Amino acid sequence: AQSVSQHNHHVILSEAASLELGCNYSYGGTVNLFWYVQYPGQHLQLLLKYFSGDPLVKGIKGFEAEFIKSKFSFNLRKPSVQWSDTAEYFCAVVGFQKLVFGTGTRLLVSP
Amino acid sequence: GAGVSQSPSNKVTEKGKDVELRCDPISGHTALYWYRQSLGQGLEFLIYFQGNSAPDKSGLPSDRFSAERTGGSVSTLTIQRTQQEDSAVYLCASSLMGRGYEQYFGPGTRLTVT
Repeated sequence: AQSVSQHNHHVILSEAASLELGCNYSYGGTVNLFWYVQYPGQHLQLLLKYFSGDPLVKGIKGFEAEFIKSKFSFNLRKPSVQWSDTAEYFCAVVGFQKLVFGTGTRLLVSP
Repeated sequence: GAGVSQSPSNKVTEKGKDVELRCDPISGHTALYWYRQSLGQGLEFLIYFQGNSAPDKSGLPSDRFSAERTGGSVSTLTIQRTQQEDSAVYLCASSLMGRGYEQYFGPGTRLTVT
């Protein structure tokens, strides 16, 4: 069964710092990968997704993620974070029509 | 509707009581999912309904948990004899048929069992 690991549980950054959140998945076949974000008090929303094609995926709000098949990774990046990026970030993979989520990473950006 | 809605937004109940959580999916979405978000546990799949097919109940943690979907639209998640470990945010999501990779989430119901 597919599974997802997020190794950073809490990340604290200053504004303008670069961000990289790790995500590793277990499934060796064709994968559909996602990053979701949950801002304080808000719904879970889709940040970006990868199905096929260009392994560098660009999402909303300046986020991007790179699918590296050889490393089973789909890390999330942003060159310069803002205070408004404070949120919880979840990596997910689709398995049998349902999403399998990682445990999430809480990002705190200090102004 | 404009999005997935859930009610109540917050529910406090005493240990041993039964609770019902409601989800209204996006109109036209035939697939409906329930997840649980617990502190330190991330998001955990509970159950999945797809059209008229038998639901995928593989994520339900115990037989105290059940869910139904009436008329292919509204769903109710029922937790019987609640325990403190049931305290969590229960999230509902919906998608178009066959597009489980594009799920839209509701705001969740925060359940607190005292």
